[in-house]
Amino acid sequence: EVQLVESGGGLVQPGGSLKLSCAASGFTFSDSAIHWVRQASGKGLEWVGRITEKIHNYGTAFGASVKGRFIMSRDDSKNMAYLQMSSLETEDTAVYFCARAIPGTTFVEYWGQGTLVTVSS
Amino acid sequence: DIQMTQSPSSVSASVGDRVTITCRASQGVRNSLAWHQQKPGKAPRLLIFSASRLQSGVPSRFSGSGSETDFTLTISSLQPEDFATYYCQQSATVPITFGQGTRLEIK
Repeated sequence: EVQLVESGGGLVQPGGSLKLSCAASGFTFSDSAIHWVRQASGKGLEWVGRITEKIHNYGTAFGASVKGRFIMSRDDSKNMAYLQMSSLETEDTAVYFCARAIPGTTFVEYWGQGTLVTVSS
Repeated sequence: DIQMTQSPSSVSASVGDRVTITCRASQGVRNSLAWHQQKPGKAPRLLIFSASRLQSGVPSRFSGSGSETDFTLTISSLQPEDFATYYCQQSATVPITFGQGTRLEIK
């Protein structure tokens, strides 16, 4: 069974940093790109970014609202993906989901349950 | 960035009804279009990818069609568990973008 479990969310002050983790199981992690998507309370889905598989050189891409502030990484030996967030703003408050893409595509397939990040003073 | 616009934003329907949701892209995305279903407090669930391919385990009452800029999601006969919010998503280019969502409510 495919599982993705996010952790690391919490309360952080504006301007602060936070690192989210995504633990994957039930599939060949190294074969899948990993996406991060967020959802503010009562709002729609916003794509944060993605990191590709090794075969595509672990390439990263980000949405405009987080570019330059967020970094994605992965450790295929541990089946883990990470989202390092810095210079956090109140507008970054949301539930953050990690998700795997269908191998060989950019379609988001399986989603984790999400972790809540609250940016507030 | 490619803008995705869904219509309607919300729709009320009854069990057994046929419902169609549309998604329009601001520029052509070929068939790089997916549909996700989300229930309150839950993670989204992939229903359709490549515009018309049914994800494994998804009931056949769900279907998708379209290409380039105009897409539709159809639910042929609504079931109680189908009341949820539906999002389209283009994967043709980064940044990947979602529609604003269509809330399907019980009439």
